[in-house]
Amino acid sequence: NAGVMQNPRHLVRRRGQEARLRCSPMKGHSHVYWYRQLPEEGLKFMVYLQKENIIDESGMPKERFSAEFPKEGPSILRIQQVVRGDSAAYFCASSPSTQETQYFGPGTRLLVL
Amino acid sequence: DQQVKQNSPSLSVQEGRISILNCDYTNSMFDYFLWYKKYPAEGPTFLISISSIKDKNEDGRFTVFLNKSAKHLSLHIVPSQPGDSAVYFCAASAGSSNTGKLIFGQGTTLQVKP
Repeated sequence: NAGVMQNPRHLVRRRGQEARLRCSPMKGHSHVYWYRQLPEEGLKFMVYLQKENIIDESGMPKERFSAEFPKEGPSILRIQQVVRGDSAAYFCASSPSTQETQYFGPGTRLLVL
Repeated sequence: DQQVKQNSPSLSVQEGRISILNCDYTNSMFDYFLWYKKYPAEGPTFLISISSIKDKNEDGRFTVFLNKSAKHLSLHIVPSQPGDSAVYFCAASAGSSNTGKLIFGQGTTLQVKP
C-alpha cells in the first residue's frame, strides 16, 4: 500500500512564475490536508479538502494561492506569481476521516529565486 | 498566537537513557494530540497519539502522557537509540472543529549520542 505521494520533490521558480504542487493520497483516503513549513518553523495548516470540495481554507493566504482535489487525479496546490517568501517545504497529508491519523507525504521543497 | 508550544528547541541524551520531550498548549478545545518524527528532507512520520479521555498511551519504547489540567503533554522514549535522532513535532486538533486540521508546535531536535 503506497503512502502519500508528492511531486515534484523539488521545484525552483523565478519570481512571478507559477508553482504547481501535486499530492496523491493513500489508497482509501478521501481527506487531504496541505501544510507549509517555513525555515526554522513548525508546520502550518493551509487547507483541507475532500473530493471536489474545499472544506477549510482558513490557513491559505488570500491571494495567489488556490487548491483543488478533483474527482479524478491528485490534489493540486497552485501558487501564482510566486515571491521569495513562498520558499518553503509544502507537505500534503491524507486520512480516511477527520477523526483518524493523518499520514504525510515527503513534501515539495519550493525555492523561489 | 502559538497555540501549541515546544519550548525546548533541542535535546541531547545518551544512548540507552530516557528522552523526554515536552509540549504545552493553550486551547482547551483540543482533544486529540499526536507526536510526529521528522528526518531532514522527509515528511513527518506518525509516532503515537492520545485522546483527551486518556492520560497515558504506550507503544513499545514510546509513551505519551497528557496532563489536561496543566495543558501539557510529554513524549518519553526509553531506551533512546541513535536512530531516534530527529526533529519531533507535537500536534493537536479539536474535534469540535470537524475538520481534523492539526496545529503543530515548533519542533524539538533530539540528538541521541552513541
